[in-house]
Amino acid sequence: AQKVTQAQTEISVVEKEDVTLDCVYETRDTTYYLFWYKQPPSGELVFLIRRNSFDEQNEISGRYSWNFQKSTSSFNFTITASQVVDSAVYFCALRSLRETSGSRLTFGEGTQLTVNP
Amino acid sequence: NAGVTQTPKFQVLKTGQSMTLQCAQDMNHEYMSWYRQDPGMGLRLIHYSVGAGITDQGEVPNGYNVSRSTTEDFPLRLLSAAPSQTSVYFCASSDRDPRDTQYFGPGTRLTVL
Repeated sequence: AQKVTQAQTEISVVEKEDVTLDCVYETRDTTYYLFWYKQPPSGELVFLIRRNSFDEQNEISGRYSWNFQKSTSSFNFTITASQVVDSAVYFCALRSLRETSGSRLTFGEGTQLTVNP
Repeated sequence: NAGVTQTPKFQVLKTGQSMTLQCAQDMNHEYMSWYRQDPGMGLRLIHYSVGAGITDQGEVPNGYNVSRSTTEDFPLRLLSAAPSQTSVYFCASSDRDPRDTQYFGPGTRLTVL
């Protein structure tokens, strides 16, 4: 069975602060993919990043960075110099290649990030 | 490309009514899925399809039916709506390669009274 845990239900920061969203996953498979999605107040789900289990390089995209550590089964997401527009619910998700469906994503519970001016 | 489209955006039903949530994609994706989103529970898989004519159950299938007669469309049917089915429903699609990213529709907010 697969599981994704986002222990932080809600985070509130002041604009320009750095913030890290935690994601811990469980899977018995050696080949899997991890994803982050953003859900702004408008409700749609926006894809942010995909990482495969064989690539532990950190990734940076503008103010966003991701730290994948297989040893701790974590895939954390950091926003540097946060902005009000970053306010959203962020979901971490896992897909294993052994899943027969091939399309099944296991989601965490989500973290509500509020950035105050 | 319109991507993944869903209709309606909002719906209110009375207990016992039936309805169909529509989902369509124009990316020629083989995989399509339905999820429901409830507060504090993330998104949970209801049903999925790996191609036209093939569907299977996800994590929370009870009370829902699906069919996949074409590659483009994947409707979700509520047979007899219950208040427990009040939720936001998302349809998603992706390519055959399981490494492919899933793209989500805008969601349907359903309230069952």
